[in-house]
Amino acid sequence: EVQLVESGGGLVQPGRSLRLSCAASGFTFNDYAMQWVRQAPGKGLEWVSGISWNSYSIAYADSVKGRFTISRDNAKNSLYLQMDSLRPDDTALYYCAKDSSSGGNGFDYWGQGTLVTVSS
Amino acid sequence: QSALTQPASVSGSPGQSITISCTGTSSDIGSYNLVSWYQQYPGKAPKFMLYEGSKRPSGVSNRFSGSKSGNTASLTISGLQAEDEADYYCCSYAGSNTWVFGGGTKLTVL
Repeated sequence: EVQLVESGGGLVQPGRSLRLSCAASGFTFNDYAMQWVRQAPGKGLEWVSGISWNSYSIAYADSVKGRFTISRDNAKNSLYLQMDSLRPDDTALYYCAKDSSSGGNGFDYWGQGTLVTVSS
Repeated sequence: QSALTQPASVSGSPGQSITISCTGTSSDIGSYNLVSWYQQYPGKAPKFMLYEGSKRPSGVSNRFSGSKSGNTASLTISGLQAEDEADYYCCSYAGSNTWVFGGGTKLTVL
């Protein structure tokens, strides 16, 4: 059974940093690209960042470019999101998601999310 | 990276069919056959419902179907059931390994 478990969220002041983790199990982690998607309270889904299976290809949404860094450790079956210079509008539930087994089109498994609150 | 445009809400009665549109641009939906759809219940993670515009992952009911024309993708749910009441999101590849979601549509089953 595929499982994605996010952790690392919490309350943080504006301008500070936070590192999210996503522990993956139930599939061959190093075969798939992975994504971070966030959802602000009461709002829709927003793609944040993605990383290829070998970390060679990385992309970010314009809203986080230069502030967030995605990475992965295939030996530990883990995905990470380093979030620096956090702003109140980064407040959201952050999901990690696995690229679909159907040729990488869409995201077929999601974690339950970890909540990040940016507030003074 | 502008969000795809979806209607904020749609509604239908049990047994009816509804369609949710998702409008993008020539840089996303119009350029790639890589539209996916997600169902989300309140407080739950999204569920993968369709990919490549019209293909269903294993386990998804055949009441869910999709299509694409130009810069617009559509999700149709036939034989509407109470359990279909949820939020629905489209998502498209937007080039350079980036993705863009729609703003979401709240489906109400009357």
